[in-house]
Amino acid sequence: SQQGEEDPQALSIQEGENATMNCSYKTSINNLQWYRQNSGRGLVHLILIRSNEREKHSGRLRVTLDTSKKSSSLLITASRAADTASYFCATDLYGQNFVFGPGTRLSVLP
Amino acid sequence: EPEVTQTPSHQVTQMGQEVILRCVPISNHLYFYWYRQILGQKVEFLVSFYNNEISEKSEIFDDQFSVERPDGSNFTLKIRSTKLEDSAMYFCASSSGGVVRETQYFGPGTRLLVL
Repeated sequence: SQQGEEDPQALSIQEGENATMNCSYKTSINNLQWYRQNSGRGLVHLILIRSNEREKHSGRLRVTLDTSKKSSSLLITASRAADTASYFCATDLYGQNFVFGPGTRLSVLP
Repeated sequence: EPEVTQTPSHQVTQMGQEVILRCVPISNHLYFYWYRQILGQKVEFLVSFYNNEISEKSEIFDDQFSVERPDGSNFTLKIRSTKLEDSAMYFCASSSGGVVRETQYFGPGTRLLVL
């Protein structure tokens, strides 16, 4: 698998449900960041979690980081149609570039 | 809230032509980046810039690409002789930096189409 690889590739849920997306990576990181991208638009930063942190919250978003498993998850609670977007994790690697995964396409159906 | 801006939003050019994509990073940020996203694919790192020089670049960033900070506010990406495969969305980003890189804030992107 690639560095910063999300799964699932696509996720379709009903409004009000929770959405969980996962990201796996291969090497040690400084931090991991989650971004959202609406179709054809720019990237919006959601949350940064550092390598010494295990969980962070921001509104309806909850991010966890398990450095032993080299994985992170993004949970969106009580989803809304406006949450429909692609979600990317990006890993900040020691001595290397910022690496984005291929993303998870989330569709929230009204 | 401060934001990264990019111009133009769309650019159409003929193969072989030079293009310059412009970005205005957040004013107190010290680190600047360019990324590209080919349609339907993931975001790819091109180059990072700090203290008026390139700090990192990817394999994609070959001799046809160059970056410049011509004044105190603009950060540009030049593609000297565009190819069809350069068609993509180009994103500029900036961060406050530090020992551990901080959050990168992205601009809205420039959609480049090479014909």
